[in-house]
Amino acid sequence: QVQLQESGPGLVKPSETLSLTCTVSGGSISSNYWTWIRQSPGKGLEWIGYGFHSGSTNYNPSLKSRLTISVDKSKNQFSLKLTSVTAADTAVYYCARGCSTDTCYEVGPGSVDVWGKGTTVTVSS
Amino acid sequence: DIQMTQSPSSLSTSVGDRVTVSCRASQNIGTYLSWYQQRPGKAPVRLIYGASSLQSGVPSRFSGSGSGTDFTLTISSLQPEDFATYYCQQSYSSPYTFGQGTKLEIK
Repeated sequence: QVQLQESGPGLVKPSETLSLTCTVSGGSISSNYWTWIRQSPGKGLEWIGYGFHSGSTNYNPSLKSRLTISVDKSKNQFSLKLTSVTAADTAVYYCARGCSTDTCYEVGPGSVDVWGKGTTVTVSS
Repeated sequence: DIQMTQSPSSLSTSVGDRVTVSCRASQNIGTYLSWYQQRPGKAPVRLIYGASSLQSGVPSRFSGSGSGTDFTLTISSLQPEDFATYYCQQSYSSPYTFGQGTKLEIK
């Protein structure tokens, strides 16, 4: 059974770079779209973007200029880097598994079926 | 961006009730609609994908319907563990937007 675990700093200073890693266990990283989603305090869910092992990516336009998502097959990990953070980037960040190349036609690449537990990131000096 | 609008935002209900949550998309998304349940302090869990397909391991009291712009999540007989917040999400067009959530509360 696939499990995901986020890791990274819980506190980031304004204007610096937020870096998170998601480790995938119990399955291969080679067949699915790997997604980041965040949830600001007391707010709803925001889709950040996804990456694929081939290097292809899809980002939320609201974050695209600051965002990089990459997939490392050798480590079975994928990562998120968000530059020039502000207090508005304070949130719980979730990594999640999207569809595979076999299932995307049915569910669409945005739908996710396995989630990490989430990690809280606070942007503050 | 496609806007997803859920109704109601909150609902006071009782164990055993039949509950319906609605989700409307601002444009046609076919059946690219998923439903998630989120309990306090926990990650969301996918209940339904493709508008009406039940995720493996999810109780059969959950069901989804709809296509195009109007969708419904139904819980046939509410159980204590179902008091949570429910979100719809479209996976038709990037960015893959979520509804604002519907919180089920105990009456």
